[in-house]
Amino acid sequence: DQQVKQNSPSLSVQEGRISILNCDYTNSMFDYFLWYKKYPAEGPTFLISISSIKDKNEDGRFTVFLNKSAKHLSLHIVPSQPGDSAVYFCAASAGSGGGADGLTFGKGTHLIIQP
Amino acid sequence: ETGVTQTPRHLVMGMTNKKSLKCEQHLGHNAMYWYKQSAKKPLELMFVYSLEERVENNSVPSRFSPECPNSSHLFLHLHTLQPEDSALYLCASSPRTGTNYGYTFGSGTRLTVV
Repeated sequence: DQQVKQNSPSLSVQEGRISILNCDYTNSMFDYFLWYKKYPAEGPTFLISISSIKDKNEDGRFTVFLNKSAKHLSLHIVPSQPGDSAVYFCAASAGSGGGADGLTFGKGTHLIIQP
Repeated sequence: ETGVTQTPRHLVMGMTNKKSLKCEQHLGHNAMYWYKQSAKKPLELMFVYSLEERVENNSVPSRFSPECPNSSHLFLHLHTLQPEDSALYLCASSPRTGTNYGYTFGSGTRLTVV
């Protein structure tokens, strides 16, 4: 059973507009969440993260929102740029601060920015 | 170049072959990981090494055998694989285990079993 779900396999957004990527999780033990971005033929690269003690984290054009009661997080990209076209993975962990737990990933959402 | 190098980038092997995937990092990280990405599936954690000791094995079949001779190198030895093992195999490293430290991924090895 998938513990991290990205229900939109793809998302198309016009350049300059806001992109919103969604992620849901089922494991209430998750306490740290990350977003990774992946271009074709490359490995995922870390984008932004958030701890469960926060509900928002911002880094430039990227903002991650966490709603613990709904077990939902979202990544906002504004304004969207052509270079943002990539696959975005949501990941979660139950072991912040230590432990060999690894990360649990979603299936990814392919974001396409249209000119 | 992310600092984590995986070779080969592509590999085609028969079901009776034995091959190895190699991962190398010179970031000074103490933890290394193998992940598998199959089509239309999430990345799946296979193995975790911390300071050259295996600390996690997510019920991976024995036809996959990891080896970590030192903190900079990680291998995945493959033998008698099945076609369903065809996938992208990703290596990652982090300063230590625990996810407050971002992972650095390699570009992956695209494996095809015929």
